[in-house]
Amino acid sequence: DIQMTQSPSSLSASVGDRVTITCRASQSISSYLNWYQQKPGKAPKLLIYAASSLQSGVPSRFSGSGSGTDFTLTISSLQPEDFATYYCQQSYSTLPTFGPGTKVDIK
Amino acid sequence: QVQLQESGPGLVKPSETLSLTCAVSGYSISSGYYWGWIRQPPGKGLEWIGSIYHSGSTYYNPSLKSRVTISVDTSKNQFSLKLSSVTAADTAVYYCARVRGYSSSWGVVDAFDIWGQGTMVTVSS
Repeated sequence: DIQMTQSPSSLSASVGDRVTITCRASQSISSYLNWYQQKPGKAPKLLIYAASSLQSGVPSRFSGSGSGTDFTLTISSLQPEDFATYYCQQSYSTLPTFGPGTKVDIK
Repeated sequence: QVQLQESGPGLVKPSETLSLTCAVSGYSISSGYYWGWIRQPPGKGLEWIGSIYHSGSTYYNPSLKSRVTISVDTSKNQFSLKLSSVTAADTAVYYCARVRGYSSSWGVVDAFDIWGQGTMVTVSS
């Protein structure tokens, strides 16, 4: 199995802050990496696919980068509705796996 | 607008079989895409259970494969999950989702682009 790790596991930030979340794969996954946002009691929402492509309808303050084993999700200016948990997910193998999540809360 | 809705018992006894259905509206399953099940234990992360194509081809998580069956009913435009011999460790929110393949010059990246709202299943006597 391809193991996914994320750092930090949680962070506190203020509205307007630039936030960066890191995701690392246990082996190279090229750009087969997706990012999701999940709010409490809700289903995950696809934000970024193929490491850097913005899903339709997702605000442009979200961006993704990376390839191989190291990836980042950046929120350029944190908004109140962005406080949530973020998960990365690899689709390189036939067994898709998710990272453990990064919780972004209000400072 | 494509929508997915899970349904099934919220309480299952240990050693019994968990059965859930995902009804799809706004899109005909027989037109394509893979469709998947993902679960999330309370306070924990996401685990892929398995996926099915409209033709019936399936992929399962090896850690659950011996207990999982996913099937599709194109006439009802729905797909289903059965998980046998459940224990408390199977207590989770169960989500169904569409698997969309995003094409690029270097390959096709599968992502879960549309999700159901999720249904909580508790395993307890």
